[in-house]
Amino acid sequence: AQKVTQAQTEISVVEKEDVTLDCVYETRDTTYYLFWYKQPPSGELVFLIRRNSFDEQNEISGRYSWNFQKSTSSFNFTITASQVVDSAVYFCALSALGDIIQGAQKLVFGQGTRLTINP
Amino acid sequence: GAVVSQHPSWVICKSGTSVKIECRSLDFQATTMFWYRQFPKQSLMLMATSNEGSKATYEQGVEKDKFLINHASLTLSTLTVTSAHPEDSSFYICSAREGGWGETQYFGPGTRLLVL
Repeated sequence: AQKVTQAQTEISVVEKEDVTLDCVYETRDTTYYLFWYKQPPSGELVFLIRRNSFDEQNEISGRYSWNFQKSTSSFNFTITASQVVDSAVYFCALSALGDIIQGAQKLVFGQGTRLTINP
Repeated sequence: GAVVSQHPSWVICKSGTSVKIECRSLDFQATTMFWYRQFPKQSLMLMATSNEGSKATYEQGVEKDKFLINHASLTLSTLTVTSAHPEDSSFYICSAREGGWGETQYFGPGTRLLVL
């Protein structure tokens, strides 16, 4: 079965600090996709990134960066120079081919990390 | 691009009434739509998956007759909570996906349901 673990339930930092959100996943499949979503207080989930299992290149988008390491089954997310607007719940999610073959098309979510950026 | 709308955003109803929530993909055709439920400070719980023109596939423990899902077109799916009770009060979120299993799900803004 597929599983996503976000061990950090809540993180609180002061503005301008760098912060890393951890995501560890479990799957027996070699073909899978990983995602990060942001859920601000308004409730809507905002898509941040999608990464397939064959692409281990790290990605940077402005102040956001992602570190994908298959060796440790991790897909960590770093915010550099954090801002108050970054305050939200962040979800890591996994979609694996095995689930699809068995008839499920699920996106397996972690429990989320509540990030608070204090001024 | 990839915008999903949901209506209504808020609904308050009396116990025993039915509530319909609409989910629309505004700028793409959604081959698959998903309905989730989220309790406060918890992760998303998938309720059902629907493909256009097909019956929805419900997750274990989700009552099909309670949560009616219709995916009438490639841009519209509806969730009807029938005979709503206070325990159905929750945040309901839909998502839509164009293409196959590895493609991105784009989420609507959610609907907060309060059953009195």
